[in-house]
Amino acid sequence: QQQVKQSPQSLIVQKGGISIINCAYENTAFDYFPWYQQFPGKGPALLIAIRPDVSEKKEGRFTISFNKSAKQFSLHIMDSQPGDSATYFCAGGGNQFYFGTGTSLTVIP
Amino acid sequence: NAGVTQTPKFRVLKTGQSMTLLCAQDMNHEYMYWYRQDPGMGLRLIHYSVGEGTTAKGEVPDGYNVSRLKKQNFLLGLESAAPSQTSVYFCASSYGRGGPTGELFFGEGSRLTVL
Repeated sequence: QQQVKQSPQSLIVQKGGISIINCAYENTAFDYFPWYQQFPGKGPALLIAIRPDVSEKKEGRFTISFNKSAKQFSLHIMDSQPGDSATYFCAGGGNQFYFGTGTSLTVIP
Repeated sequence: NAGVTQTPKFRVLKTGQSMTLLCAQDMNHEYMYWYRQDPGMGLRLIHYSVGEGTTAKGEVPDGYNVSRLKKQNFLLGLESAAPSQTSVYFCASSYGRGGPTGELFFGEGSRLTVL
């Protein structure tokens, strides 16, 4: 059973638009929910993260919205840029982390 | 400061051969992890360690063994490689629970092909 479910699998957005990626988790013991960004040939790198006692966290153009009762969280990328084109992974965990299947984002100039 | 270093970066094996992937971190992190990444499957946890001398199974541990004899190193072994183990392997480390952040720091990956 997949611990973290992610959608959509791929996303195409115009430059300046909003990119939205959604995730859902099963385990209520998870206490840390990070988002990772991965470029081809590289390892994932932390983008932004949230703990379940907070409903929203914003860092620049990136915002996590967290709904504890629904066990869902999402990443919003405002004013999307071509340089944001990458694969994005959500994750949840504590001692160990479980990742979603990834979203390939393409931002068209 | 190198962060997380994985060796080798590429390897081709024949079915039944054995090999070891080495992960080294210089951040004095307590926790270390091995993941595999396959198309459409995301990152799946193979094994992890919460400290020197400890290891634990993740989501997909079968066919792999690990050892954490030194805090800075985490080894992933394949005793008898199978084509299903063709993948990109990522090592990661973190401060762990109680640390300043829960962030995982990843290496650049090791691409393994089993023929």
